Amino acid sequence: AQTVTQSQPEMSVQEAETVTLSCTYDTSESDYYLFWYKQPPSRQMILVIRQEAYKQQNATENRFSVNFQKAAKSFSLKISDSQLGDAAMYFCAYRSLSGGSNYKLTFGKGTLLTVNP
Amino acid sequence: EAQVTQNPRYLITVTGKKLTVTCSQNMNHEYMSWYRQDPGLGLRQIYYSMNVEVTDKGDVPEGYKVSRKEKRNFPLILESPSPNQTSLYFCASSLIQGNTIYFGEGSWLTVV
Repeated sequence: AQTVTQSQPEMSVQEAETVTLSCTYDTSESDYYLFWYKQPPSRQMILVIRQEAYKQQNATENRFSVNFQKAAKSFSLKISDSQLGDAAMYFCAYRSLSGGSNYKLTFGKGTLLTVNP
Repeated sequence: EAQVTQNPRYLITVTGKKLTVTCSQNMNHEYMSWYRQDPGLGLRQIYYSMNVEVTDKGDVPEGYKVSRKEKRNFPLILESPSPNQTSLYFCASSLIQGNTIYFGEGSWLTVV
């Protein structure tokens, strides 16, 4: 079974600075998706960024980028020019593309990001 | 507009009183699943379904049932709720190997 580990329960960053959230995962599969979701106080699940494992290029979405290290099974999220609206819980998630794993989406336990003005 | 709709959004109920949380999607997705979110534990899968009449247990299925009689609907049933089922519940849908998962807005359930 796949596991996703977020080793930082809480992080803080100054407004306009850069912060990196860590995520590691354990899998024996070669093809899968990785995601970062943002959950603001409304508790809505908002997709921040996704990465297909077969792609070597790191995904980027505006101020959000990832460092995907497939061999190391690491998938960190970098937020540049942090804004007050970035304050939220962030979840790393893994989606299996194997029928043997039932195409399951597995989440880490989350990192609570605080942005200080 | 593509969406996953859950109801109710908020519910306080008493121990043992059967309840159903409905989930409906308008994207013709095969794959639907239920998650519960608890502090410090992230989201954990309760049940999933890969098509009509095809359902199976996730990681934390105890105390829950589901059904998939129609492709668009995937209700979560708590036949005899207990206080340890107090949680935030999410329904999600996608294509079976889809790289986009659509979440409902969540249902806050409190069992007293």
